[in-house]
Amino acid sequence: EAQVTQNPRYLITVTGKKLTVTCSQNMNHEYMSWYRQDPGLGLRQIYYSMNVEVTDKGDVPEGYKVSRKEKRNFPLILESPSPNQTSLYFCASSFRGDEKYFGPGTRLTVL
Amino acid sequence: SQQGEEDPQALSIQEGENATMNCSYKTSINNLQWYRQNSGRGLVHLILIRSNEREKHSGRLRVTLDTSKKSSSLLITASRAADTASYFCATDGSTGANNLFFGTGTRLTVIP
Repeated sequence: EAQVTQNPRYLITVTGKKLTVTCSQNMNHEYMSWYRQDPGLGLRQIYYSMNVEVTDKGDVPEGYKVSRKEKRNFPLILESPSPNQTSLYFCASSFRGDEKYFGPGTRLTVL
Repeated sequence: SQQGEEDPQALSIQEGENATMNCSYKTSINNLQWYRQNSGRGLVHLILIRSNEREKHSGRLRVTLDTSKKSSSLLITASRAADTASYFCATDGSTGANNLFFGTGTRLTVIP
């Protein structure tokens, strides 16, 4: 089954404790991206990747890092999480950047 | 901001009625997409319309695009309770296909 998986689905952590949210797709897609969704603000792109070892900033990259060492994986790293990073995070993948397939979401709370 | 804006923010209709949602955007686009999101879940792609297209159909969905007005509409015909969800339009802007700019969505409630 074609899908994008994210782990963990829910995470409660404390300020400053490094965390990684994993994302994996099984569709051999070149494009992958991370979004955060906040009430009243819609979805905003954090980082995207057009292929292995090619990443670039989206609209709200501050406080986040990503890596793309393999085509299927695109982890999101929060080196020092802060409460303003409490949000619902989505990973998405696509072939040539058109129709995006979204993961189920990771709800992150930073205390 | 390049974000699209959906209108209305919320819509409540009876099952069997048609639902129309509108989207306006600010910059030139290559394509516009509509997505659906059930509460707290991932987004599901519904339909993509390219800038040189004016109308597109998919099942009970009909999308129109007016690039001169920078607007699009999504029509869901013969709505069902299972259509209850939030609907988002997303534009790619003119700079590239990977960064989609989403609006804040229309929350549709279909009453059985």
